[in-house]
Amino acid sequence: GAVVSQHPSWVICKSGTSVKIECRSLDFQATTMFWYRQFPKQSLMLMATSNEGSKATYEQGVEKDKFLINHASLTLSTLTVTSAHPEDSSFYICSARDITVNQPQHFGDGTRLSIL
Amino acid sequence: GNSVTQMEGPVTLSEEAFLTINCTYTATGYPSLFWYVQYPGEGLQLLLKATKADDKGSNKGFEATYRKETTSFHLEKGSVQVSDSAVYFCALSGRNRDDKIIFGKGTRLHILP
Repeated sequence: GAVVSQHPSWVICKSGTSVKIECRSLDFQATTMFWYRQFPKQSLMLMATSNEGSKATYEQGVEKDKFLINHASLTLSTLTVTSAHPEDSSFYICSARDITVNQPQHFGDGTRLSIL
Repeated sequence: GNSVTQMEGPVTLSEEAFLTINCTYTATGYPSLFWYVQYPGEGLQLLLKATKADDKGSNKGFEATYRKETTSFHLEKGSVQVSDSAVYFCALSGRNRDDKIIFGKGTRLHILP
């Protein structure tokens, strides 16, 4: 079945560093990928919609300069958390939708980000 | 706008009990409906889906029927196992390829041996 690979699965870094998270669709093409943030014991909050070859669409309240999204190909989107601070610590999950209409989104296993 | 409301947890049941997690939705048009499951420390897995009224999605003993008249998509399982302990999210999405998924708040399920 369709698989979305997310890397890294876990990262710990110092405050002020930038962290890049990759999201790859392994056996299908995805013109659109989605980035979510999940706080402990809460639902997923959509951060942005990543469109291949164009700028991402950010949800209200999400800082586009803080969370840089690049969707360079039909199988890869990246989220870079710039100058990360402890409040950016969270579980980040990506999803990708098969080009075929009416196919469900497939989710990556998430990246747990801890900023010290 | 579109929204999903599901019963709040946590839900605690004994093994082999019957499970129902209620989910209702508000949407324009004819959305697709989903149940996702999240095991501890992991991402989301699609559990089942239904794309039109009266469709029944099923997987791993779980079932949910798309009820347009009551705008509901309740999740059921006849006999739960300890391994079913997880968080369950009801969700809906439009039919276009870039339509967002709208998630419910999730229901945490604990199954006691």
